[in-house]
Amino acid sequence: GESVGLHLPTLSVQEGDNSIINCAYSNSASDYFIWYKQESGKGPQFIIDIRSNMDKRQGQRVTVLLNKTVKHLSLQIAATQPGDSAVYFCAENSGGSNYKLTFGKGTLLTVNP
Amino acid sequence: NAGVTQTPKFQVLKTGQSMTLQCAQDMNHEYMSWYRQDPGMGLRLIHYSVGAGITDQGEVPNGYNVSRSTTEDFPLRLLSAAPSQTSVYFCASSWQGGGTDTQYFGPGTRLTVL
Repeated sequence: GESVGLHLPTLSVQEGDNSIINCAYSNSASDYFIWYKQESGKGPQFIIDIRSNMDKRQGQRVTVLLNKTVKHLSLQIAATQPGDSAVYFCAENSGGSNYKLTFGKGTLLTVNP
Repeated sequence: NAGVTQTPKFQVLKTGQSMTLQCAQDMNHEYMSWYRQDPGMGLRLIHYSVGAGITDQGEVPNGYNVSRSTTEDFPLRLLSAAPSQTSVYFCASSWQGGGTDTQYFGPGTRLTVL
């Protein structure tokens, strides 16, 4: 079946370094992708999204890259801070659905001071 | 705005008991949804609603009922709790559909079924 997955379940970086979290998706019909951050004991928090008609989108300290050719999504965090430590999820709109999201299993990012 | 609120934060049930997880949003969002989160499984969609009076099944609907009598509220009912329903439950809402715009999540309800 179609699924969204992450290449790395854990990532440990030094404070100030840049972080890259990767995600693979297999449903070529998906056209909306989102990254969420989830801190321990809290609900997922929206970080950034991108639609399939774009290949790059930037936010504050974050950039999402979309490579539709190889069905790959990445989240780049610049100058990673201890407050960035969390689990990061990518999600896709299940084959282009207006109503359903399929989430990846998550990557735990740990920022060392 | 309070955003998306959920009650209770924690709940322990015995097998066979029933309960309702409450979810409310004050952003006038049309779309609301329920997810469960299990270790190593990511978030899985249980039920969703595109507006008052309209609900539909997600990926894992068995054992759960929902209703949407108002725009603001979207309760999730467990009619006969089972240990397999031990999980963290999140409610979310968005302006339109969950697949087209940002979903805002509540803080979650941690449910344990003994």
